[in-house]
Amino acid sequence: QVQLQESGPGLVKPSETLSLTCTVSGASVSSYYWTWIRQSAGKGLEWIGRIYVSGTTNYNPSLRSRVTMSMDTSKNHFSLKLSSMTAADTALYFCAREVTGDSRSFDYWGQGTLVTVSS
Amino acid sequence: DIQMTQSPPSLSASVGDRVTITCRASQNITTYLNWYQQKSGKAPKLLISAASNLQNGVPSRFGGSGSGTDFTLTISSLQPEDFATYYCQQSYTTPRTFGQGTKVEIK
Repeated sequence: QVQLQESGPGLVKPSETLSLTCTVSGASVSSYYWTWIRQSAGKGLEWIGRIYVSGTTNYNPSLRSRVTMSMDTSKNHFSLKLSSMTAADTALYFCAREVTGDSRSFDYWGQGTLVTVSS
Repeated sequence: DIQMTQSPPSLSASVGDRVTITCRASQNITTYLNWYQQKSGKAPKLLISAASNLQNGVPSRFGGSGSGTDFTLTISSLQPEDFATYYCQQSYTTPRTFGQGTKVEIK
């Protein structure tokens, strides 16, 4: 059974960089796209970006200047860094797997981790 | 970005009712449209991919249709466990985008 688990700090200060990791079990990160999505009351569900094992990344243009994603196949996990955090980045952050092909969709999700930006 | 517009934003229905939720894309996305169900505090759950492909384990009372810009999620007979928020999402291009959600509440 595929499982994803987010980890990282729940509280980040304004202007700091958020670092989150998603650990995957039951599947290899060497296949599929691996994605970060966040959810806030103000903006609903927002796709942050995705990474593939080749190192290919696609980021949301609205966040591109602040986002970096990486992957460690030896640990079977992938990571998100979001810099210059502000209160507007307060959200529930999910990692998810995106299936490719004609039915491309997010078929497995982590439970989400709440990140609050506050001094 | 492709804008996804769902209607209605919320609805009240009774157990056994037929419920229809619509999703409109701002441009042609062929059938690259997915539907998710989210219950409070949980991650979204994939119900339907490619506009009409029901995921394994999802009850057959859920159905999806449409292509191009207009799509529909139908619940043929609403059950107590179906009260949740439903989202559409396009996978035609990046950035992936979601509708704002439709909250299905108990009448």
